[in-house]
Amino acid sequence: EDQVTQSPEALRLQEGESSSLNCSYTVSGLRGLFWYRQDPGKGPEFLFTLYSAGEEKEKERLKATLTKKESFLHITAPKPEDSATYLCAVESNYQLIWGAGTKLIIKP
Amino acid sequence: KAGVTQTPRYLIKTRGQQVTLSCSPISGHRSVSWYQQTPGQGLQFLFEYFSETQRNKGNFPGRFSGRQFSNSRSEMNVSTLELGDSALYLCASSLDSAGGGQPQHFGDGTRLSIL
Repeated sequence: EDQVTQSPEALRLQEGESSSLNCSYTVSGLRGLFWYRQDPGKGPEFLFTLYSAGEEKEKERLKATLTKKESFLHITAPKPEDSATYLCAVESNYQLIWGAGTKLIIKP
Repeated sequence: KAGVTQTPRYLIKTRGQQVTLSCSPISGHRSVSWYQQTPGQGLQFLFEYFSETQRNKGNFPGRFSGRQFSNSRSEMNVSTLELGDSALYLCASSLDSAGGGQPQHFGDGTRLSIL
């Protein structure tokens, strides 16, 4: 069965403390892996698409990487405004399989 | 470029009523997907429409239905509302149908509360 698992469920960091979020997947035929950020009361905001193992994408303090079984979202020197829930989704067999998300809290 | 627009933003209904939610996709996007989001279940896929045809459907009862118009705008209908239908309903649009490797772009949702 296709499955996407995100860890940890929640992560509290001090401002400036770098860390990584994990998205592991078991799907048949990966067509793309997507990262989103969601703020309370808002819809998910698209961040990155990764298509093949070894690929990396960067945007400001965020960097996403992909292997054959998982993806990491690295956050470097985060700021309080990076606090949000980060969602991972994998495209397989013509639909998106979503992870449950990681709630990230950055304390000033 | 305008994003995905969902109306209304908030809705309060009572059990047994029905409701229609509306979604206007990003201009040029032909695929519209609908999701239900609750704190306990996360994002649950309802259905996807592409060029006015339902391409894929999630595991929801027949009370949940949708349609897409020729201008790609979409509506979702829920009949005989139940307390458990209280959720944030999200619409997402993309250039191509799921499977094309294109990201989905979301609206801010309709918050539906059932009393």
